[in-house]
Amino acid sequence: QSALTQPASVSGSPGQSITFSCTGTSSDVVGYNSVSWYQQHPGKAPKLIIFDVSNRPSGVSNRFSGSKSGNTASLTISGLQAEDEADYYCSSYTINYTRVFGGGTKVTVL
Amino acid sequence: EVQLVESGGALVEPGGSLRLSCAASGFTFSTYGMNWVRQAPGKGLEWVSYISSSGTAVYNADSVKGRFTISRDNAKNSLYLQMNSLRVEDTAMYYCARDGPDYDPLTGYPGYYFDSWGQGTLVTVSS
Repeated sequence: QSALTQPASVSGSPGQSITFSCTGTSSDVVGYNSVSWYQQHPGKAPKLIIFDVSNRPSGVSNRFSGSKSGNTASLTISGLQAEDEADYYCSSYTINYTRVFGGGTKVTVL
Repeated sequence: EVQLVESGGALVEPGGSLRLSCAASGFTFSTYGMNWVRQAPGKGLEWVSYISSSGTAVYNADSVKGRFTISRDNAKNSLYLQMNSLRVEDTAMYYCARDGPDYDPLTGYPGYYFDSWGQGTLVTVSS
Protein backbone atom coordinates (compact mmCIF):
# COMPACT_ATOMS: atom_id res chain seq x y z
CA GLN A 1 0.00 0.00 0.00
CA SER A 2 1.63 3.25 -1.14
CA ALA A 3 1.48 6.34 1.06
CA LEU A 4 -0.73 9.25 0.10
CA THR A 5 1.18 12.20 -1.36
CA GLN A 6 1.48 15.44 0.59
CA PRO A 7 3.75 18.45 0.06
CA ALA A 8 6.68 18.36 2.47
CA SER A 9 6.18 21.91 3.70
CA VAL A 10 3.89 24.91 3.49
CA SER A 11 4.28 28.32 5.09
CA GLY A 12 2.20 31.41 5.66
CA SER A 13 2.02 34.61 7.66
CA PRO A 14 -0.26 35.10 10.65
CA GLY A 15 -3.80 35.80 9.55
CA GLN A 16 -3.36 34.29 6.11
CA SER A 17 -5.08 31.20 4.78
CA ILE A 18 -3.16 28.20 3.53
CA THR A 19 -4.33 25.10 1.71
CA PHE A 20 -2.40 21.92 1.07
CA SER A 21 -3.18 18.69 -0.64
CA CYS A 22 -3.29 14.95 -0.09
CA THR A 23 -3.30 12.89 -3.28
CA GLY A 24 -4.34 9.27 -3.48
CA THR A 25 -5.76 6.74 -5.90
CA SER A 26 -8.97 4.98 -6.82
CA SER A 27 -8.17 2.44 -4.10
CA ASP A 28 -8.35 4.97 -1.30
CA VAL A 29 -9.15 8.70 -1.57
CA VAL A 30 -11.31 8.40 -4.69
CA GLY A 31 -13.27 5.41 -3.51
CA TYR A 32 -14.21 6.49 0.00
CA ASN A 33 -15.33 9.62 1.83
CA SER A 34 -13.08 8.48 4.70
CA VAL A 35 -10.24 10.99 4.50
CA SER A 36 -9.12 12.33 7.86
CA TRP A 37 -6.51 14.86 8.95
CA TYR A 38 -4.28 14.93 12.03
CA GLN A 39 -2.23 17.68 13.65
CA GLN A 40 0.96 16.76 15.48
CA HIS A 41 3.09 19.12 17.52
CA PRO A 42 6.71 18.09 18.27
CA GLY A 43 6.93 15.40 20.90
CA LYS A 44 3.15 15.01 21.10
CA ALA A 45 0.65 12.45 19.93
CA PRO A 46 -1.36 13.23 16.79
CA LYS A 47 -4.77 14.86 17.17
CA LEU A 48 -7.76 14.36 14.89
CA ILE A 49 -8.87 17.65 13.31
CA ILE A 50 -10.97 16.56 10.31
CA PHE A 51 -12.82 13.28 9.67
CA ASP A 52 -14.85 11.99 6.73
CA VAL A 53 -13.37 14.62 4.39
CA SER A 54 -14.91 17.73 5.92
CA ASN A 55 -16.26 17.12 9.44
CA ARG A 56 -14.68 18.68 12.51
CA PRO A 57 -14.68 16.93 15.88
CA SER A 58 -16.13 18.82 18.78
CA GLY A 59 -13.64 21.34 20.14
CA VAL A 60 -11.62 21.76 16.95
CA SER A 61 -11.41 25.32 15.67
CA ASN A 62 -13.59 26.20 12.69
CA ARG A 63 -10.46 27.70 11.12
CA PHE A 64 -9.74 24.15 9.93
CA SER A 65 -11.72 22.88 6.97
CA GLY A 66 -11.43 19.95 4.60
CA SER A 67 -12.60 19.08 1.11
CA LYS A 68 -12.09 16.50 -1.63
CA SER A 69 -12.16 16.51 -5.40
CA GLY A 70 -11.35 13.39 -7.36
CA ASN A 71 -8.16 11.83 -6.07
CA THR A 72 -7.10 14.87 -4.02
CA ALA A 73 -8.20 15.90 -0.55
CA SER A 74 -7.29 19.30 0.84
CA LEU A 75 -6.92 20.93 4.24
CA THR A 76 -7.37 24.67 4.64
CA ILE A 77 -6.25 26.61 7.69
CA SER A 78 -7.82 30.07 7.81
CA GLY A 79 -6.58 32.95 9.93
CA LEU A 80 -3.23 31.24 10.49
CA GLN A 81 -1.97 31.45 14.06
CA ALA A 82 1.38 30.68 15.66
CA GLU A 83 -0.13 27.65 17.42
CA ASP A 84 -0.96 26.11 14.03
CA GLU A 85 2.73 25.48 13.40
CA ALA A 86 2.89 21.68 13.39
CA ASP A 87 3.01 18.61 11.19
CA TYR A 88 -0.20 17.61 9.44
CA TYR A 89 -1.04 14.13 8.16
CA CYS A 90 -3.88 12.92 6.00
CA SER A 91 -5.19 9.37 6.13
CA SER A 92 -7.66 7.30 4.15
CA TYR A 93 -9.47 4.00 4.37
CA THR A 94 -8.52 1.67 1.52
CA ILE A 95 -10.06 -0.98 -0.66
CA ASN A 96 -8.11 -3.67 1.22
CA TYR A 97 -9.74 -2.73 4.57
CA THR A 98 -6.45 -1.13 5.60
CA ARG A 99 -5.53 2.50 6.30
CA VAL A 100 -2.88 4.64 4.71
CA PHE A 101 -1.25 7.91 5.77
CA GLY A 102 0.33 10.68 3.79
CA GLY A 103 3.98 11.53 4.32
CA GLY A 104 3.07 14.65 6.28
CA THR A 105 3.20 18.40 5.68
CA LYS A 106 5.18 20.71 7.95
CA VAL A 107 3.35 24.02 8.40
CA THR A 108 5.52 27.01 9.29
CA VAL A 109 4.05 30.29 10.49
CA LEU A 110 6.36 33.06 9.31
CA GLU B 1 -12.60 11.36 29.21
CA VAL B 2 -11.09 8.82 26.82
CA GLN B 3 -7.69 7.61 27.99
CA LEU B 4 -5.30 5.27 26.21
CA VAL B 5 -2.06 4.35 27.96
CA GLU B 6 0.55 2.29 26.13
CA SER B 7 3.28 0.27 27.81
CA GLY B 8 5.82 -2.43 27.03
CA GLY B 9 8.25 -0.53 24.82
CA ALA B 10 11.90 -1.43 25.27
CA LEU B 11 15.30 -1.92 23.65
CA VAL B 12 15.42 -5.32 21.93
CA GLU B 13 17.88 -7.02 19.61
CA PRO B 14 17.07 -7.80 15.97
CA GLY B 15 15.13 -11.04 15.75
CA GLY B 16 13.70 -10.58 19.22
CA SER B 17 10.12 -10.29 20.44
CA LEU B 18 8.13 -7.76 22.41
CA ARG B 19 4.53 -7.40 23.55
CA LEU B 20 2.95 -3.96 23.75
CA SER B 21 -0.15 -3.20 25.80
CA CYS B 22 -2.67 -0.39 25.72
CA ALA B 23 -4.97 0.20 28.70
CA ALA B 24 -8.22 1.93 27.77
CA SER B 25 -10.60 3.86 30.01
CA GLY B 26 -13.33 6.47 29.82
CA PHE B 27 -15.40 4.71 27.15
CA THR B 28 -17.02 1.36 26.41
CA PHE B 29 -13.95 -0.40 25.02
CA SER B 30 -15.86 -3.40 23.67
CA THR B 31 -17.80 -1.26 21.18
CA TYR B 32 -14.85 0.30 19.33
CA GLY B 33 -12.34 -0.99 16.81
CA MET B 34 -8.73 -0.27 17.77
CA ASN B 35 -5.48 0.34 15.92
CA TRP B 36 -1.74 0.48 16.33
CA VAL B 37 0.05 3.28 14.49
CA ARG B 38 3.81 3.80 14.59
CA GLN B 39 6.22 6.63 13.87
CA ALA B 40 9.93 6.07 13.26
CA PRO B 41 12.21 8.78 14.66
CA GLY B 42 11.90 11.91 12.54
CA LYS B 43 9.53 10.20 10.12
CA GLY B 44 5.81 10.19 9.36
CA LEU B 45 2.94 8.10 10.68
CA GLU B 46 2.49 4.51 9.53
CA TRP B 47 -0.65 2.48 10.22
CA VAL B 48 0.26 -0.98 11.56
CA SER B 49 -2.82 -3.02 12.56
CA TYR B 50 -6.57 -2.89 13.18
CA ILE B 51 -8.83 -5.11 15.25
CA SER B 52 -12.62 -4.91 15.26
CA SER B 53 -14.63 -4.31 18.42
CA SER B 54 -15.35 -8.02 18.88
CA GLY B 55 -11.89 -9.11 17.81
CA THR B 56 -13.20 -11.15 14.89
CA ALA B 57 -11.69 -8.97 12.14
CA VAL B 58 -7.98 -8.16 11.98
CA TYR B 59 -6.04 -6.32 9.29
CA ASN B 60 -2.32 -5.63 9.08
CA ALA B 61 0.06 -3.53 7.04
CA ASP B 62 2.16 -5.51 4.57
CA SER B 63 5.30 -4.42 6.43
CA VAL B 64 4.32 -6.42 9.54
CA LYS B 65 2.29 -9.33 8.13
CA GLY B 66 3.37 -12.64 9.54
CA ARG B 67 5.41 -10.97 12.31
CA PHE B 68 3.00 -8.83 14.35
CA THR B 69 -0.28 -9.96 15.91
CA ILE B 70 -2.91 -7.57 17.26
CA SER B 71 -5.33 -8.81 19.91
CA ARG B 72 -7.64 -7.49 22.61
CA ASP B 73 -9.23 -8.49 25.90
CA ASN B 74 -12.53 -6.68 26.25
CA ALA B 75 -12.94 -7.91 29.82
CA LYS B 76 -9.70 -6.13 30.74
CA ASN B 77 -10.23 -3.08 28.47
CA SER B 78 -6.88 -3.80 26.91
CA LEU B 79 -5.30 -3.91 23.46
CA TYR B 80 -2.11 -5.76 22.63
CA LEU B 81 0.51 -6.01 19.90
CA GLN B 82 2.73 -9.09 19.85
CA MET B 83 5.82 -8.28 17.81
CA ASN B 84 8.07 -11.13 16.67
CA SER B 85 11.12 -11.29 14.38
CA LEU B 86 11.79 -7.63 15.07
CA ARG B 87 13.91 -5.68 12.60
CA VAL B 88 15.90 -2.46 12.93
CA GLU B 89 13.29 -0.75 10.75
CA ASP B 90 10.60 -1.52 13.35
CA THR B 91 12.21 1.07 15.63
CA ALA B 92 9.48 3.61 16.33
CA MET B 93 7.08 5.18 18.77
CA TYR B 94 4.01 2.94 18.82
CA TYR B 95 0.64 4.59 19.39
CA CYS B 96 -2.62 2.96 20.34
CA ALA B 97 -5.50 4.72 18.54
CA ARG B 98 -9.26 4.30 18.84
CA ASP B 99 -11.26 3.94 15.65
CA GLY B 100 -14.35 6.00 14.91
CA PRO B 101 -17.71 4.47 15.81
CA ASP B 102 -18.93 1.29 14.12
CA TYR B 103 -21.89 3.39 12.99
CA ASP B 104 -21.56 7.17 12.78
CA PRO B 105 -25.05 8.77 12.80
CA LEU B 106 -23.56 11.89 11.23
CA THR B 107 -22.53 10.06 8.07
CA GLY B 108 -24.54 6.84 8.16
CA TYR B 109 -21.50 4.57 7.90
CA PRO B 110 -18.52 3.45 10.02
CA GLY B 111 -15.98 5.98 11.16
CA TYR B 112 -12.69 5.05 9.53
CA TYR B 113 -10.53 7.48 11.44
CA PHE B 114 -8.46 7.61 14.60
CA ASP B 115 -10.37 9.77 17.07
CA SER B 116 -8.28 9.26 20.22
CA TRP B 117 -4.59 8.50 20.68
CA GLY B 118 -2.36 7.42 23.51
CA GLN B 119 0.99 9.07 24.23
CA GLY B 120 2.95 6.19 22.74
CA THR B 121 5.58 3.68 23.83
CA LEU B 122 9.05 3.57 22.29
CA VAL B 123 10.40 0.42 20.71
CA THR B 124 14.07 0.38 19.77
CA VAL B 125 15.48 -2.53 17.80
CA SER B 126 19.26 -2.51 17.86
CA SER B 127 22.20 -4.77 18.57
